[in-house]
Parts: sequence; structure tokens; C-alpha cells
Amino acid sequence: KAGVTQTPRYLIKTRGQQVTLSCSPISGHRSVSWYQQTPGQGLQFLFEYFSETQRNKGNFPGRFSGRQFSNSRSEMNVSTLELGDSALYLCASSLVGTLQETQYFGPGTRLLVL
Amino acid sequence: SQQGEEDPQALSIQEGENATMNCSYKTSINNLQWYRQNSGRGLVHLILIRSNEREKHSGRLRVTLDTSKKSSSLLITASRAADTASYFCATVDNTDKLIFGTGTRLQVFP
Repeated sequence: KAGVTQTPRYLIKTRGQQVTLSCSPISGHRSVSWYQQTPGQGLQFLFEYFSETQRNKGNFPGRFSGRQFSNSRSEMNVSTLELGDSALYLCASSLVGTLQETQYFGPGTRLLVL
Repeated sequence: SQQGEEDPQALSIQEGENATMNCSYKTSINNLQWYRQNSGRGLVHLILIRSNEREKHSGRLRVTLDTSKKSSSLLITASRAADTASYFCATVDNTDKLIFGTGTRLQVFP
């Protein structure tokens, strides 16, 4: 099976713009979760989706949003970008549908905000 | 911060030596997972240990869990240069979020 894919892999934006990142889970996986990784804050949970429903959300401002489609693909959107949003954004999928079990991560999207 | 703590933050060893890294977490858990990340790429799942297990092995990896101390350790035996990476523990907290530790950067010199 193909692994988790994320597009684009690299992105440069300027402050105030918005961005949409995409994640395609492993075939058959219905749970997708998103994480932000920065040198200062480390890996932080953004949100989790299961069967098109957001089940949980981390402590991020409302500028961060996401959704999941019926084919389990997920997108996350960040509006009104700030310099501090520069980060590696990772998504993960799981077969069992719980964060308690093995998560399969994509390669990440590296976002640079200028 | 809800993050778990890992120590050491960085570890440098020679090939063939063992590497031990420790993780502490804050809430009661069902499982604890260990992941590896190579140089800013995605995470790779290494091993999962359940709260009723004290020790688990997978190849050159040995994980221990002490729920009374809310801590876990990952031992990599006979390290190789290819083990150079960052290692993270992760637990699900009481709000059902997956929380990662701060990570240990391991450098294995040939």
C-alpha cells in the first residue's frame, strides 16, 4: 500500500496570506490527525478527524481549521498567516481509528512564512 | 505545557555502543508509543507498549514502562550510523490528544 502522502512538500507564503495543505491517508484508514512541529514548541497536536468529523482540536487559534472528505483525504487551512506559523506540518493516519494505536505519518509540508 | 519530557536532549555515541533515552509523561495512560524522525522528515513508529506491560522488545530496541513513575525508556543496542535521528515518545492524554515528548537527538558516529 502507498504510504501517507502530503502536498505540497514545501511552501513559501507571506504574512496575511492563507494556505491549504493536503493529506491523503493510507488506503482504508479513516482517522487523520495533524501536527505542527517547530524548534521552539516541538510537536503539537492540531486536530483529529474520523469519518469526516472533527473529534478533537488542539490549543490553536481559530485561524487553523481543517476538514475531511468522504474518501478520508484531509485538508488543513491556515488563514491570515503569521511569521510564527512557519513550521513542519505533519499528518498521520491510523487504521484502527484511535490515537492510542500506531500512527502512520506522512513526510510533512514545510511552510515558510515571510 | 502538556508535553512530556525526554532526556537527554542530545546524545552522541560511537557505532556499536548502546543508547538509552528516557521519557516522562504527565497523565495516566493506556499505551505509550515511541517514534523516530530522520532530519525533519515524517515520524516512523517504532514500538508501542501497553500500560499493563513492563518491558517490550523489537529487534535491537528495548522499551520499559514504569506507570508508577510515569516514565519510559528506550534502549537501542549495538547502535549503527543509520540510527542517527530524533526519538520521541507519545501518549494520549486525558483529553484524547496525542502528546509528544520533547525528543532526544541521537548522533551515532561511525
